[in-house]
Amino acid sequence: AQSVTQLGSHVSVSEGALVLLRCNYSSSVPPYLFWYVQYPNQGLQLLLKYTSAATLVKGINGFEAEFKKSETSFHLTKPSAHMSDAAEYFCAVSSNNNAGNMLTFGGGTRLMVKP
Amino acid sequence: DAGVIQSPRHEVTEMGQEVTLRCKPISGHNSLFWYRQTMMRGLELLIYFNNNVPIDDSGMPEDRFSAKMPNASFSTLKIQPSEPRDSAVYFCASSWTGGGYTFGSGTRLTVV
Repeated sequence: AQSVTQLGSHVSVSEGALVLLRCNYSSSVPPYLFWYVQYPNQGLQLLLKYTSAATLVKGINGFEAEFKKSETSFHLTKPSAHMSDAAEYFCAVSSNNNAGNMLTFGGGTRLMVKP
Repeated sequence: DAGVIQSPRHEVTEMGQEVTLRCKPISGHNSLFWYRQTMMRGLELLIYFNNNVPIDDSGMPEDRFSAKMPNASFSTLKIQPSEPRDSAVYFCASSWTGGGYTFGSGTRLTVV
């Protein structure tokens, strides 16, 4: 069984400030971890993914995430927020089982960026 | 690559009517997923297919919901009869084993 917990359903930062979105996972096998972003009235877009290579993963739009096995965490960060980063962010975990690549999503965190 | 294509983008229907949502996955992807997104429940996995075969449909809310994947390039999600509580955004996504999902733009369903 696998699960994802995103702490904080809403996060507000000022433009130029650090963005930190938290994600903790539970998985009985080594996980594959993903962050997706959803802009209003759009589908989810892949930001980055961890697939057991480097623990620090760089994604699009300046985002990165670090896999910490000891903390079962995969927090998403960006050094300096931009207004265009305002969106909802979803963390997801996959066990990549043989029956497919089923992802389990967290509840999402809505990021608001203040001018 | 046109991505995952869903149709229609918006659907408004009356309670009791049949609704069919369509999805064309990315060529070469071997898994297809149907999700429903609402404010109250977030993203819910309804059903997923691997190599056109339904693997897990435990998320399908009731017998009113059915999904098919007759070939690797097409899938449908049908609701019959529709109810107001079915109003949501329905997403289709496809993937290949080991990769992340690619989502379609969704179908916003409103049942009045």
